[in-house]
Amino acid sequence: DIQMTQSPSSLSASVGDRVTITCRASQGIINSLAWYQQKPGKAPKSLIFSASTLQPGVPSKFSGSGYGTDFTLTISSLQPEDFATYYCLQYNNYPWTFGKGTKVEF
Amino acid sequence: EVHLLQSGGGLVPPGGSLRLSCVTSGFTFDTYAMSWVRQAPGKGPEWVSDHIPSGDIAHYADSVKGRFTIFRDKSKNTLSLQMNALRAEDTAVYFCVRLRYITGGPIDYWGQGTQVTVSS
Repeated sequence: DIQMTQSPSSLSASVGDRVTITCRASQGIINSLAWYQQKPGKAPKSLIFSASTLQPGVPSKFSGSGYGTDFTLTISSLQPEDFATYYCLQYNNYPWTFGKGTKVEF
Repeated sequence: EVHLLQSGGGLVPPGGSLRLSCVTSGFTFDTYAMSWVRQAPGKGPEWVSDHIPSGDIAHYADSVKGRFTIFRDKSKNTLSLQMNALRAEDTAVYFCVRLRYITGGPIDYWGQGTQVTVSS
C-alpha cells in the first residue's frame, strides 16, 4: 500500500496568514493527488484534484502543486472559514490512501 | 445540483449485517463511478470500496474484502453497501461519494455520512 505522510499534523495560524501543508507519497503517484477540507461533524469537501486543479466553486486562495511523491496545499490568506482539518488522498493505486490530516487552528 | 442522500446506518452486534443506501440525484448515475469511504472516530478517512460502471468492476479494501459488497440499482439511482460479518473495527461514519469519471478518478462529491456502530 502507498503511505501518505502529511505534515504538519497541526498548525497554529492567524487570519491573513499564508499556510502550506505537505503530503509525501511512499512511491510515485504521478499527479493523482487530491485535497479535502473537513470541519467538525461534517462531510469532507473536495478542494483540489490532479494535484493542482481546483474543484469548481473553490476559491482561488487555495492552490496545489507537486508531482511524483511530493505535494503541497497552500492557502494564500487564511480566513475564519478556513480553520478546519485538511486531508490528502492518493488515487493512483489501489487501495486508495489518505494522509492522517493537518488541523489548522487559530 | 448533485445530491447524495444516505440511509441505513445504526447499531449492530458483532457478526451482524447492515445495508447502507445512497440515493443520488442531479447527475446521470450510470456515467459516474461511485465509492464508499469511512471514518472511524478521531481518525482520517479510509477508502472502503468503489464500483466502476464501465466494465461493472468493484474494488475493495483488504479489511472488508469478502464481507462487504458494493452494488448499484440503476432503476433507482441508488448505490448500496451490504456489510456482513461486522466487526468492532468497522465502527465508523460511512460516506457515499461520487468519483469524477466513469472510469474512477478522485472524489468530487460526498454524501452526508451515516453512523455505523458495531457493539454488543
